[in-house]
Amino acid sequence: RKEVEQDPGPFNVPEGATVAFNCTYSNSASQSFFWYRQDCRKEPKLLMSVYSSGNEDGRFTAQLNRASQYISLLIRDSKLSDSATYLCVVSGEGNTPLVFGKGTRLSVIA
Amino acid sequence: ETGVTQSPTHLIKTRGQQVTLRCSSQSGHNTVSWYQQALGQGPQFIFQYYREEENGRGNFPPRFSGLQFPNYSSELNVNALELDDSALYLCASSLGSGQLVYEQYFGPGTRLTVT
Repeated sequence: RKEVEQDPGPFNVPEGATVAFNCTYSNSASQSFFWYRQDCRKEPKLLMSVYSSGNEDGRFTAQLNRASQYISLLIRDSKLSDSATYLCVVSGEGNTPLVFGKGTRLSVIA
Repeated sequence: ETGVTQSPTHLIKTRGQQVTLRCSSQSGHNTVSWYQQALGQGPQFIFQYYREEENGRGNFPPRFSGLQFPNYSSELNVNALELDDSALYLCASSLGSGQLVYEQYFGPGTRLTVT
């Protein structure tokens, strides 16, 4: 089983739609979880941390289920500018600080 | 912008050559991590430097080596380049250890092409 697994997509959604991304991770000892956004040919940028209680930042909501080792990201009222690849990231074992999934590509279309 | 800079932005090398990539961390950050991102993949952890010492290493061969300087800037060196080394090399800076090390801020990357 890969350390962090994501549906690669692409997800093609119309503007205004709600879209959800899911991610599973294998290391039950992971303590920190994040969603990063990466635009084409750019560096990853931290979108939000994911807390056990779930957290929301504007149109974005992240959830963590430790029992199922599952993380989700919900984007409401999608904008064209949300088009990007969304990377699920968890803290690694030993001295590997972050383990990235392959990313899920989102295209929001007018 | 994160304040993390990398140079050069693009580089073309031939197999067998050696390359040095550079990274300046965000002001106040003392930890630098390097990642390799192949096309269509997520970034893969190469190694991390904390206060000038290697503080963790991913599954990369010894021909990938690094340095961190007293000002916390860092270099990634790759010897005996192979075609599969073609990728985007990302540097990320963070502050300290413990949970803070996970709040990483990435530079724009160096795109290396090996022919």
